[in-house]
Amino acid sequence: QQKVQQSPESLIVPEGGMASLNCTSSDRNVDYFWWYRQHSGKSPKMLMSIFSNGEKEEGRFTVHLNKASLHTSLHIRDSQPSDSALYLCAGRGSALGRLHFGAGTQLIVIP
Amino acid sequence: DPKIIQKPKYLVAVTGSEKILICEQYLGHNAMYWYRQSAKKPLEFMFSYSYQKLMDNQTASSRFQPQSSKKNHLDLQITALKPDDSATYFCASSQAGLGTEVFFGKGTRLTVV
Repeated sequence: QQKVQQSPESLIVPEGGMASLNCTSSDRNVDYFWWYRQHSGKSPKMLMSIFSNGEKEEGRFTVHLNKASLHTSLHIRDSQPSDSALYLCAGRGSALGRLHFGAGTQLIVIP
Repeated sequence: DPKIIQKPKYLVAVTGSEKILICEQYLGHNAMYWYRQSAKKPLEFMFSYSYQKLMDNQTASSRFQPQSSKKNHLDLQITALKPDDSATYFCASSQAGLGTEVFFGKGTRLTVV
């Protein structure tokens, strides 16, 4: 069973719009989270990380974490066509370097 | 300049053959990993090495063998290749520590025919 679930599977937003992506862990041991972005044919690159309750903002990107529900979300405001990519949520596993990845949300930003 | 170098970028192999995927990192990290991503499954962890020692193995099959000749090298040998092994294999690295960022290489896309 996959430890990290993401929704929606795909999301289409207009340029300049807000994109909201969700991620939940089903394992209480998976409680630190990273958001990665993967453009088609490229490697995943880390966008943001969040380890404690609350919110963190970097430019157009904001992440939230609720540790009680093990739910994190990523919000992208003023979405740009270059934001079109697969967004992967990863939760920390119990072993070194072991990240549990969700299946991802495919974001498409339409000009 | 890419700091995690994977070779080759693309690889086509015949069922039953053996291949080695190469990875070198120049980030000064002391831990290296292999992940796999296919159309059927999300990005999944395979192995972790720290200071050239195997720390974690999540690959059920012994056909997959990591090999570390130097601290910044972690190759992946795959024997008796099957079509189901077709995937992109990513080498990754980080500093040892549970909250550190994991960096990924550009990947080797393996197709088994």
